[in-house]
Amino acid sequence: KAGVTQTPRYLIKTRGQQVTLSCSPISGHRSVSWYQQTPGQGLQFLFEYFSETQRNKGNFPGRFSGRQFSNSRSEMNVSTLELGDSALYLCASGRTNQETQYFGPGTRLLVL
Amino acid sequence: EDQVTQSPEALRLQEGESSSLNCSYTVSGLRGLFWYRQDPGKGPEFLFTLYSAGEEKEKERLKATLTKKESFLHITAPKPEDSATYLCAVHTSLQGAQKLVFGQGTRLTINP
Repeated sequence: KAGVTQTPRYLIKTRGQQVTLSCSPISGHRSVSWYQQTPGQGLQFLFEYFSETQRNKGNFPGRFSGRQFSNSRSEMNVSTLELGDSALYLCASGRTNQETQYFGPGTRLLVL
Repeated sequence: EDQVTQSPEALRLQEGESSSLNCSYTVSGLRGLFWYRQDPGKGPEFLFTLYSAGEEKEKERLKATLTKKESFLHITAPKPEDSATYLCAVHTSLQGAQKLVFGQGTRLTINP
């Protein structure tokens, strides 16, 4: 069974630009969550989608948004990038958000 | 506020030297505790889920236990390939929002 996939794996952007990251969950999983990982803050929850609906949201500004498609694939978008947005962005999927979540390899974003 | 604290931050052991990692938590509405292993530059890899105090799970050289306030990850006779960062996360449900709250991790190094 294929695991969670994320594209792209690496991105370099400049301040003020926007970026879209993609996540394909494990087949049959309908819950997709996004996390930001930085050395200082660790892993922090961004938001969770289930059946195309955002059900949970972390404490991040509105520049961070996402969506989920009917095939459970998800995208997250960050607008007006700031230097502090440089991080590893991780996607996790589960059958529901109350069950074990399995992580993808992440997208490493560097904002210059 | 939901909080997860892992100790120690870093641990260096000799091959074959057993030890334990600690994860203490203060959360509202605990719905499960998860252990993950993360190698540098990769996404977290699922290890165990624990749901109730007294529960134990084992996998090869690893054993996870859970009490009402903390969890331990016991490592027996570790090998160099067990070197990684071990992350603890609690699944919480607060005001209808469900999410994983992560500790900062324990960076484990096993010397041959």
